[in-house]
Amino acid sequence: DTGVSQNPRHKITKRGQNVTFRCDPISEHNRLYWYRQTLGQGPEFLTYFQNEAQLEKSRLLSDRFSAERPKGSFSTLEIQRTEQGDSAMYLCASSFDREGHETQYFGPGTRLLVL
Amino acid sequence: SQQGEEDPQALSIQEGENATMNCSYKTSINNLQWYRQNSGRGLVHLILIRSNEREKHSGRLRVTLDTSKKSSSLLITASRAADTASYFCATITSGTYKYIFGTGTRLKVLA
Repeated sequence: DTGVSQNPRHKITKRGQNVTFRCDPISEHNRLYWYRQTLGQGPEFLTYFQNEAQLEKSRLLSDRFSAERPKGSFSTLEIQRTEQGDSAMYLCASSFDREGHETQYFGPGTRLLVL
Repeated sequence: SQQGEEDPQALSIQEGENATMNCSYKTSINNLQWYRQNSGRGLVHLILIRSNEREKHSGRLRVTLDTSKKSSSLLITASRAADTASYFCATITSGTYKYIFGTGTRLKVLA
């Protein structure tokens, strides 16, 4: 399967713990996005990578969140000192720019529950 | 805050009927996209319409874009039970990489 994959699919953690999620994009895609989605809402943009460079980050993202994309391939999203409000679905998407227009391919998401 | 706003928030129709959902946005855009999300899963891209296009078709989908009103509509014709899902519009403000998704329309197609 050559789609976007995310691991783990589910994560339960206790408040104050750190968690890390991984996203493997479609191999030829140079663009990678992270989103957060809560129940009944649309995805909320967190950050964007073009190859290995993090070019945009939401101002809503606190310093507890960090993302990396070493070598421009897979990406990781880390949340430090988790809070109950971090409970959400974390979605990753990848794409390839076509003259300024792109289609994002989403992974299945990682569902985080902070107790 | 979300730039895109869809309406209605929820829509329930009988199989075979048409479903129309609308999206409004606030800033200048390069394109507008519609996505579908089945319960608890990732999003699937449906259709992209560029800012210089007014209407686009793909199978049973018809999308319109009115940049003067900053609005778009998605029409699903001859709906099927498998169309039951949440539908989101997404826009990206010119000069940024930040996609903004609306709050979605939850469509239920009754068999």
